[in-house]
Amino acid sequence: EVQLVESGGGLVQPGGSLRLSCAGSGFIFNSYEMNWVRQAPGKGLEWVSYISSSGDIIYYADSVKGRFTISRDNPKNSLYLQMNSLRAEDTAVYFCARVNYYGDYDSSNFDYWGQGTLVTVSS
Amino acid sequence: DIQMTQSPSSVSASVGDTVTITCRASQDITTWLAWYQQKPGKAPRLLIYAASRLQSGVPSRFSGSGSGTDFTLTISSLQPEDFATYYCQQTNIFPQTFGGGTKMEIK
Repeated sequence: EVQLVESGGGLVQPGGSLRLSCAGSGFIFNSYEMNWVRQAPGKGLEWVSYISSSGDIIYYADSVKGRFTISRDNPKNSLYLQMNSLRAEDTAVYFCARVNYYGDYDSSNFDYWGQGTLVTVSS
Repeated sequence: DIQMTQSPSSVSASVGDTVTITCRASQDITTWLAWYQQKPGKAPRLLIYAASRLQSGVPSRFSGSGSGTDFTLTISSLQPEDFATYYCQQTNIFPQTFGGGTKMEIK
């Protein structure tokens, strides 16, 4: 059974840092691209960052570029999000999500999601 | 960035109704579109991928259609467990943007 389990959330002051982790199991982790998606309280979903299966291709949303760093440790089946210079508007539940492709790369989707970890930025 | 515009933002319906949600992309995304269902306090669940393909385990009352810029999610014969929030997402180009969501409520 595919499982994604996030951890590392909590309360942090503005300007502070936090590192989120996502542990994958039940699938060949190093074969899958991964993403972080967040959801502010009462709001919709916002894509945050992407990393390729080998970690050599990375993308960020403009809202976090220069402050957040995505990485992965394939031998440990783990995905990370280092969050620096945190702001109140970064308060959200953060989900990790696995990428799945349909056909011969005809389309992609996020087929498995973790349960999310809450990050609260407040003084 | 590609903007994804979902409508309506909310809908009231009854068990047994058929509901259609639309999603419009600001540029051509061919069929790089997915639909998700989310219930309060839970992670999103993939329903439809490649605009019209039903994810394994999802009831056949869910269907998707469209290509290019205009897409629809139709839920036939609504069941009590279908009352949730639905999101479309384009995965054609980064940033992989989501629609604003459609909250489905019981009438």
